[in-house]
Amino acid sequence: GAGVSQSPSNKVTEKGKDVELRCDPISGHTALYWYRQSLGQGLEFLIYFQGNSAPDKSGLPSDRFSAERTGGSVSTLTIQRTQQEDSAVYLCASSWSRGEIRNEQFFGPGTRLTVL
Amino acid sequence: QQPVQSPQAVILREGEDAVINCSSSKALYSVHWYRQKHGEAPVFLMILLKGGEQKGHEKISASFNEKKQQSSLYLTASQLSYSGTYFCAPGGNKLIFGTGTLLAVQP
Repeated sequence: GAGVSQSPSNKVTEKGKDVELRCDPISGHTALYWYRQSLGQGLEFLIYFQGNSAPDKSGLPSDRFSAERTGGSVSTLTIQRTQQEDSAVYLCASSWSRGEIRNEQFFGPGTRLTVL
Repeated sequence: QQPVQSPQAVILREGEDAVINCSSSKALYSVHWYRQKHGEAPVFLMILLKGGEQKGHEKISASFNEKKQQSSLYLTASQLSYSGTYFCAPGGNKLIFGTGTLLAVQP
């Protein structure tokens, strides 16, 4: 079946503009994650959705960042009033069931965001 | 808190062995290992479960010491395809990835 898809693959925006990044998880996966990876850096957790539960937003760096997941499937990460430090690759991942320790995460190809 | 990996980077010749270590400040119940090739998304390698259980993937294996809150990844007879950045991540509802270890395998 299809893997995790993300769009757009690349996004260039001007400082101060809002951007929306989209993630389509693997069908049937109930858990969805967003991470951020700056150039040459590790993976920074942003937010986690599990089914209909309230999302874990503990990794969001500021209130300019928000995410939603509609119908338990597609997710959108929104960054308002973008800043240059928001430039990074934004990765989405999904997994089976309820964050079980055994469940591997499948990553999408990422969206490379560049804020000028 | 982010798990700490060591070494930060390692260069190998094909056929050589390497060990990557992962230390967590929090109690570990399981550890995930992922590999990320340059310009690509991370790919799952294996999950280690408490009890010191070892899991293997090709010539890559790992161990997990729950008491020491550590995990180690063993790469034996390395191949060019092993090059990439390796991340550990203590398991749970969300994964907090380690600092990463860049592995470069040269011919």
